[in-house]
Amino acid sequence: QTVVTQEPSFSVSPGETVTLTCGLSSGSVSATYYPSWYQQTPGQAPRTLIYSTNIRSSGVPDRFSGSILGNKAALTITGAQADDESDYFCVLYMSGGSWVFGGGTKLTVL
Amino acid sequence: QVQLQESGPGLVKPSQTLSLTCTVSGGSISTGGYYWSWIRQHPGKGLEWIGHIYYSGSAYYNPSLKSRVIISVDTSENQFSLKLSSVSAADTAVFYCAKMKGGTGWYIDVWGKGTTVTVSS
Repeated sequence: QTVVTQEPSFSVSPGETVTLTCGLSSGSVSATYYPSWYQQTPGQAPRTLIYSTNIRSSGVPDRFSGSILGNKAALTITGAQADDESDYFCVLYMSGGSWVFGGGTKLTVL
Repeated sequence: QVQLQESGPGLVKPSQTLSLTCTVSGGSISTGGYYWSWIRQHPGKGLEWIGHIYYSGSAYYNPSLKSRVIISVDTSENQFSLKLSSVSAADTAVFYCAKMKGGTGWYIDVWGKGTTVTVSS
């Protein structure tokens, strides 16, 4: 069973840059996995941030960016703001048509 | 602007079948290139992909749930549905329906608000 890995938690100070990653328990993440990123605050449905590795969804501020860093997909928040404090989930598209979500990263901004 | 709304019982007894429907408004479920998905989130946990279906009826399921899941589509009603059989307390979750762009992207571009389903006698 493929496991998608994310940091369970991360802390960043306001105005700083933070990079969250999305990896595989076995192997490397590439663009062919179409990594996408979602932001979720408590009690709300997720919001789509990034898709196809690095394309920002409509209305998403440009301080959010996506990339492949080494063997992982990455979400970078440049100049973190207080309202970026959320859970962040990545998901990878697997051959055969299945999807696997990472466990999510709880980002604290303080 | 497509919107999605989940509906169904909020309480299901153990061993029974959980049934949810997602109504699509503001667009056609038969639009090519999009898949219609179900995703769940256990209390305080991460997201879990359950499966998705194309308007033609082709469906893909999470291997860990495949034996208990059926996703169907009703193009005349612009709805798609989820049935999860033999439920237990471990199936208590918030269930989201979602519109997924396929082919050249594979991402969710529209989420429903989610509906909470509790499995309890």
